[in-house]
Amino acid sequence: DAKTTQPNSMESNEEEPVHLPCNHSTISGTDYIHWYRQLPSQGPEYVIHGLTSNVNNRMASLAIAEDRKSSTLILHRATLRDAAVYYCILCGATNKLIFGTGTLLAVQP
Amino acid sequence: DGGITQSPKYLFRKEGQNVTLSCEQNLNHDAMYWYRQDPGQGLRLIYYSQIVNDFQKGDIAEGYSVSREKKESFPLTVTSAQKNPTAFYLCASSISDYRGTEAFFGQGTRLTVV
Repeated sequence: DAKTTQPNSMESNEEEPVHLPCNHSTISGTDYIHWYRQLPSQGPEYVIHGLTSNVNNRMASLAIAEDRKSSTLILHRATLRDAAVYYCILCGATNKLIFGTGTLLAVQP
Repeated sequence: DGGITQSPKYLFRKEGQNVTLSCEQNLNHDAMYWYRQDPGQGLRLIYYSQIVNDFQKGDIAEGYSVSREKKESFPLTVTSAQKNPTAFYLCASSISDYRGTEAFFGQGTRLTVV
């Protein structure tokens, strides 16, 4: 299974946009890019996923590089409730979600 | 409401005892998964099942066992062979090919072995 690389932590101010990067240079052509987030002592929550094109939903946007070797999760206006660990995951033919250590996002009021 | 339920939320056991964690889903999902999470770490895959009566080992299966007799249920047994069983355990479910869709997670069971 291909791996992802994310910064350990990031900080943002409330009401400002946040761009969370993810590198996945060994991605294969059929791997989907998934993002989940986890609040303390809770199970992960699905955020968004994509294959090649940029994606938008009510929670966030996903920008995928043209060569698919990197992607960026965009939270358009961070709130205190967005403080969590964000995981970027590749899901391929094995149908397994393999988690890395993620990015801990802190949101300052 | 459809969802995935783990019970209990907190579990305490004495060292050397086997313990079974429950995971039930009413989402009609074929695939189910068990993960372990240690403090400050990401999730590690223990076992997964793509269909009833079949399951595969994940990355850290030693000391654990599972069964998948019903589509809705995927219990995990932490055996006495697991050297460091104290952890946060998470169960998930999805349709069989979830590359293009989301997985749903339970709220977890925090197991403490004393």
